Amino acid sequence: EAGVAQSPRYKIIEKRQSVAFWCNPISGHATLYWYQQILGQGPKLLIQFQNNGVVDDSQLPKDRFSAERLKGVDSTLKIQPAKLEDSAVYLCASTPLTAGGLYEQFFGPGTRLTVL
Amino acid sequence: GQQLNQSPQSMFIQEGEDVSMNCTSSSIFNTWLWYKQDPGEGPVLLIALYKAGELTSNGRLTAQFGITRKDSFLNISASIPSDVGIYFCAGIILTGGGNKLTFGTGTQLKVEL
Repeated sequence: EAGVAQSPRYKIIEKRQSVAFWCNPISGHATLYWYQQILGQGPKLLIQFQNNGVVDDSQLPKDRFSAERLKGVDSTLKIQPAKLEDSAVYLCASTPLTAGGLYEQFFGPGTRLTVL
Repeated sequence: GQQLNQSPQSMFIQEGEDVSMNCTSSSIFNTWLWYKQDPGEGPVLLIALYKAGELTSNGRLTAQFGITRKDSFLNISASIPSDVGIYFCAGIILTGGGNKLTFGTGTQLKVEL
């Protein structure tokens, strides 16, 4: 079974530029998450989708960050404009949808963003 | 928001030694998870704990869900070089909108041959 795919793996941009990350979850997984992991810290949830609807985006800085999952499969996360403090690894994770709640989130390898 | 504090922040041990790390919170969680993250990779789930007091093993790993539901610990017995990495605890609160996962600050493990 293929895992969560993310691209690009690395991205270097200058501040005030825009950037987009792409995630392809495990086939059949209804729930998709985007996390931000700053160096030396644990991942922090940015947004959670269930199919193509947003479940939780309370920690997404909506003035500059946006995410979509139009067909309930792939997702993109965009930052516009980027700031220096956005330098981090952006992780995508997915889980299947089960009646009892499934707690294992499968993570992709992440996109390492450096903002200069 | 919730904060999960892990200790120690890092540890440097000899191959074959046992390792203990713990995670504490100011809030109650419904579920505790332990993940390992290798450089350049996403976290991988090691152990999941679903009720207070639960003790669960996975090979050389043993984890416990604290009775107060505000803490958890992870033990690794007879460490080997491939145990090197960063270990994260994570707590889940069940909400109407889904399972919200909060990660700890991480414990970096280095193993000396």
